[in-house]
Amino acid sequence: DAKTTQPTSMDCAEGRAANLPCNHSTISGNEYVYWYRQIHSQGPQYIIHGLKNNETNEMASLIITEDRKSSTLILPHATLRDTAVYYCIVRVANNAGNMLTFGGGTRLMVKP
Amino acid sequence: NAGVMQNPRHLVRRRGQEARLRCSPMKGHSHVYWYRQLPEEGLKFMVYLQKENIIDESGMPKERFSAEFPKEGPSILRIQQVVRGDSAAYFCASSLPVGGTDTQYFGPGTRLTVL
Repeated sequence: DAKTTQPTSMDCAEGRAANLPCNHSTISGNEYVYWYRQIHSQGPQYIIHGLKNNETNEMASLIITEDRKSSTLILPHATLRDTAVYYCIVRVANNAGNMLTFGGGTRLMVKP
Repeated sequence: NAGVMQNPRHLVRRRGQEARLRCSPMKGHSHVYWYRQLPEEGLKFMVYLQKENIIDESGMPKERFSAEFPKEGPSILRIQQVVRGDSAAYFCASSLPVGGTDTQYFGPGTRLTVL
């Protein structure tokens, strides 16, 4: 699986949009971008994933650049409960058994 | 629709004892994965199982660790003769069979403390 690069930490004001970037310049054509988050001491929580089109669900939006070398996870209205470590992971999907490789992630701190 | 369940949530063992961690996947999921998170570190893959089969155990320590996913019942991660270095959070994830989306969903974890 391709490697990803994320900032170590970010701050965001409560109620504002949180934009978390991820670089994956060596991504292959059949690899998806997945986002998970881990709130302190809890299990990782799946957020969203995409291949090349932008995706949106009830939690977040995922914007993938046209060349697929980078992406941004957007939390439209961050709350204090969104404080967590956010992981961007690139992997081949629909290939059950393909493990998730977690990097260091971005520690997002949402402040009042 | 219950999510992935793990028990116990906290487990304390003395050095040399055995630890058994259980994982019940989400309904309809037949693929189970175990990950370990050492203190202040990231999650690391350990093993991937389907019913009655170990598919990939490339992340499992060579000794003392074993995993199973029987035809009936939960998946079990077993650690024999625990040492202090085994103290960690152990997370289980599950996904649908091949042909469905293979997004992995995680349980709340078991925190193992070895005294």
